Amino acid sequence: GQNIDQPTEMTATEGAIVQINCTYQTSGFNGLFWYQQHAGEAPTFLSYNVLDGLEEKGRFSSFLSRSKGYSYLLLKELQMKDSASYLCAVMDSNYQLIWGAGTKLIIKP
Amino acid sequence: IAGITQAPTSQILAAGRRMTLRCTQDMRHNAMYWYRQDLGLGLRLIHYSNTAGTTGKGEVPDGYSVSRANTDDFPLTLASAVPSQTSVYFCASSDRVGSPLHFGNGTRLTVT
Repeated sequence: GQNIDQPTEMTATEGAIVQINCTYQTSGFNGLFWYQQHAGEAPTFLSYNVLDGLEEKGRFSSFLSRSKGYSYLLLKELQMKDSASYLCAVMDSNYQLIWGAGTKLIIKP
Repeated sequence: IAGITQAPTSQILAAGRRMTLRCTQDMRHNAMYWYRQDLGLGLRLIHYSNTAGTTGKGEVPDGYSVSRANTDDFPLTLASAVPSQTSVYFCASSDRVGSPLHFGNGTRLTVT
């Protein structure tokens, strides 16, 4: 079966760096997405990786290793507004998105 | 402001009743999707439409139906609601299959 694993919850301190991991087993691979979802709101797109390596976008970076079935989202200079759930999703060979359950990130002052 | 509008925002529905969740987008996106989100689970695809006039079944289609008569609208109908359909429903769109999704603000549905 297809599976996406990410930690349920993480806690970090304002101003620090946090890495949220995502491992996947899917039928084929056509890219990996990260979304941010604040409580009670809709998910919003953060990043997309289809080739191995690091994609940097401001304070957020996303890394992909296809051979290991592994990605991480790196958040730098954490701010209180970064408190949210972070969703990892993989597009399989049929271009269907398989979603992880999300990682709830709690930022403490 | 361009985006996706879902209605209603929330609804309490008696079991056995019929309900249509509305979704309209003004971005002229080709692909549209309906997901449900339940605590502790990832988003699960109910139905999708790659382009106007076509629809397809997702991971959890039973008890739901959709139509795509035009580019902008993609309503989701529960023919006879059951308590297990209590969930938050998100409509999403993308300009093409494989592009990032834009989500509506969701409909919180409680079936009693």
